[in-house]
Amino acid sequence: TQLLEQSPQFLSIQEGENLTVYCNSSSVFSSLQWYRQEPGEGPVLLVTVVTGGEVKKLKRLTFQFGDARKDSSLHITAAQPGDTGLYLCAGAWTTGRRALTFGSGTRLQVQP
Amino acid sequence: DSGVTQTPKHLITATGQRVTLRCSPRSGDLSVYWYQQSLDQGLQFLIQYYNGEERAKGNILERFSAQQFPDLHSELNLSSLELGDSALYFCASSVTGGEFTEAFFGQGTRLTVV
Repeated sequence: TQLLEQSPQFLSIQEGENLTVYCNSSSVFSSLQWYRQEPGEGPVLLVTVVTGGEVKKLKRLTFQFGDARKDSSLHITAAQPGDTGLYLCAGAWTTGRRALTFGSGTRLQVQP
Repeated sequence: DSGVTQTPKHLITATGQRVTLRCSPRSGDLSVYWYQQSLDQGLQFLIQYYNGEERAKGNILERFSAQQFPDLHSELNLSSLELGDSALYFCASSVTGGEFTEAFFGQGTRLTVV
């Protein structure tokens, strides 16, 4: 079974704080994606990382793909209440089935 | 708006019944995925179709089945429903369905089995 673990599961912070969310697997990813999901809505794609060591920035969000392509992190600088939601990583492996496999998610709440 | 349309948005039905969920992918996308999301859980992959053919199968129960039609829309059939089948069911689509696929999700169908 190919598992994709996210941590922490829950995070409640104050507006303006920084945070990091982690996504880990024992297997090598061929690509990894980060999604954000709001209650009652479908996940929305934030970024795709493909190359080991790759860093991508999306405004206050920084995504990093590990050198060995087994892990990834999402860092949010100066969090705002609008960042509240469920953050999901999804991976595709170099072997195995083709569909994206999702982690269980990190539920972030940013208090004003 | 992702361009992926799912109907209905909400569905309430009794145990033992059968329902059909429908998904229209983004224009030009050949691949459709179905996922189940239980309360406060991540997304569990059920099944993928590519251009009408089944491509990958996840943790889909034998009571569930799916198909993709020539116009590329897809239906997920859930039968002999149980209380535990209550969940959000998402459809996603992508252009190809290969390893670097980026998936775009619909707004989901919330199924409540009573």
